[in-house]
Amino acid sequence: GAVVSQHPSWVICKSGTSVKIECRSLDFQATTMFWYRQFPKQSLMLMATSNEGSKATYEQGVEKDKFLINHASLTLSTLTVTSAHPEDSSFYICSAIAGGEGTQYFGPGTRLLVL
Amino acid sequence: EDKVVQSPLSLVVHEGDTVTLNCSYEVTNFRSLLWYKQEKKAPTFLFMLTSSGIEKKSGRLSSILDKKELFSILNITATQTGDSAIYLCAVYGEYGNKLVFGAGTILRVKS
Repeated sequence: GAVVSQHPSWVICKSGTSVKIECRSLDFQATTMFWYRQFPKQSLMLMATSNEGSKATYEQGVEKDKFLINHASLTLSTLTVTSAHPEDSSFYICSAIAGGEGTQYFGPGTRLLVL
Repeated sequence: EDKVVQSPLSLVVHEGDTVTLNCSYEVTNFRSLLWYKQEKKAPTFLFMLTSSGIEKKSGRLSSILDKKELFSILNITATQTGDSAIYLCAVYGEYGNKLVFGAGTILRVKS
C-alpha cells in the first residue's frame, strides 16, 4: 500500500509555543490530505481537509486560526498548532488518498503534549 | 447527518476463537466502506468494500458488505494475541472524500 509519513512522531512543548507537524506522501502524489485528531479511547475526528494549492476546508468547531494548514506541494501538508495550550495535547494523524478507488492511507501519527 | 455505528464496543476472546465485528451505516450517497486496524499508532488499512455480497479476504480476516441492509461485518478466525487492536469502520458518504468513522471496536485476545 501507499506510504504516508509524519514528522515528528512526538513532541513536548511549553504552553504558548507553536508546533508544526509535517505529513508527506512518500510514493505517490496527493492533491488532498486530511488531518485528524484522536483523544484516548476515542475514534478519529476529522479536523480539516487540506487541498494542494488552495485553502484548507475546516470542520465545524475547528478554529482555522488555531490550526494552520499549508499544502504547498503534492507530497507535503503541514499542520501548525499555534499558541498551543494543554487542551491541545492529543494524537494528530494525517491521511492521503492513493489510487483510483480512493483508499485513505494514514500516517503514523504525532503525539503532542503541551505542558 | 452521516452516521456509522460499530458493535460491540469492546470484546474479549481467547486465542483461537472466531470473532465477528459489526458496522452499520446511514449515509447519503454511499460510495464505499473501509475497515482499519489501529494498534498503538495510526490506523492501517484492511479492506475497502464497494459492492454487496463480494467477500474480501486477507489471511484470517474477511469482510463483506450488504448495501441493502446497510451493514458490513469483519470476521477474524483463529484469533491471535496480535489481533488485539481497535478496529475502525469508516464510510465515504455525502461529502466527497471525507471519511465518516465509527467509534471502533476494541478487541482483546487473551492467550
